[in-house]
Amino acid sequence: EAGVAQSPRYKIIEKRQSVAFWCNPISGHATLYWYQQILGQGPKLLIQFQNNGVVDDSQLPKDRFSAERLKGVDSTLKIQPAKLEDSAVYLCASSPDRSGGYNEQFFGPGTRLTVL
Amino acid sequence: AQSVSQHNHHVILSEAASLELGCNYSYGGTVNLFWYVQYPGQHLQLLLKYFSGDPLVKGIKGFEAEFIKSKFSFNLRKPSVQWSDTAEYFCAVFRMDSSYKLIFGSGTRLLVRP
Repeated sequence: EAGVAQSPRYKIIEKRQSVAFWCNPISGHATLYWYQQILGQGPKLLIQFQNNGVVDDSQLPKDRFSAERLKGVDSTLKIQPAKLEDSAVYLCASSPDRSGGYNEQFFGPGTRLTVL
Repeated sequence: AQSVSQHNHHVILSEAASLELGCNYSYGGTVNLFWYVQYPGQHLQLLLKYFSGDPLVKGIKGFEAEFIKSKFSFNLRKPSVQWSDTAEYFCAVFRMDSSYKLIFGSGTRLLVRP
């Protein structure tokens, strides 16, 4: 079974530039999550999709971050414009159903973003 | 606000030593509990989980964790660590209410010396 795919793996940009990350979840997984992991901290949920609808985006900085999940499959996370404090690893995860607590969340390798 | 606390940020052990990593959470309702592990250069993966039943749960690679409800704790243990256990370990708590959110601790970096 193929895992969660993410690209790019690394990205370096200057502040105020834009950046986009892509995630392809495990086939058939209804729920998709984006997490932000700042160095020295645990992952923090940014947004959760159930199929192509948003379930929770309460911790997404909506003035600069946006995300979509096209056709309930893959997803993109965008930052525009980036700030220095956005430097982090962005993790995508998926799980078979909405209640991710009942089932394991499967994580991708992450995209390491450095904002200069 | 709910929080998950991992008391040890860095742990260094020699092979064959016993391991215990602490995890406490602040939420008083029903929770599901997890330990995830991230080996160097790899992605986060599930080590073990507790949903209900026997509070002592066993995971992969000889790890186990004990849920003590009265202490809001879910400590991870292994009787004898190996060099290959070098990794970062994250405790995570899933709230069984409308939030359906997985909250992670800040992680513990374990270095096992051969």
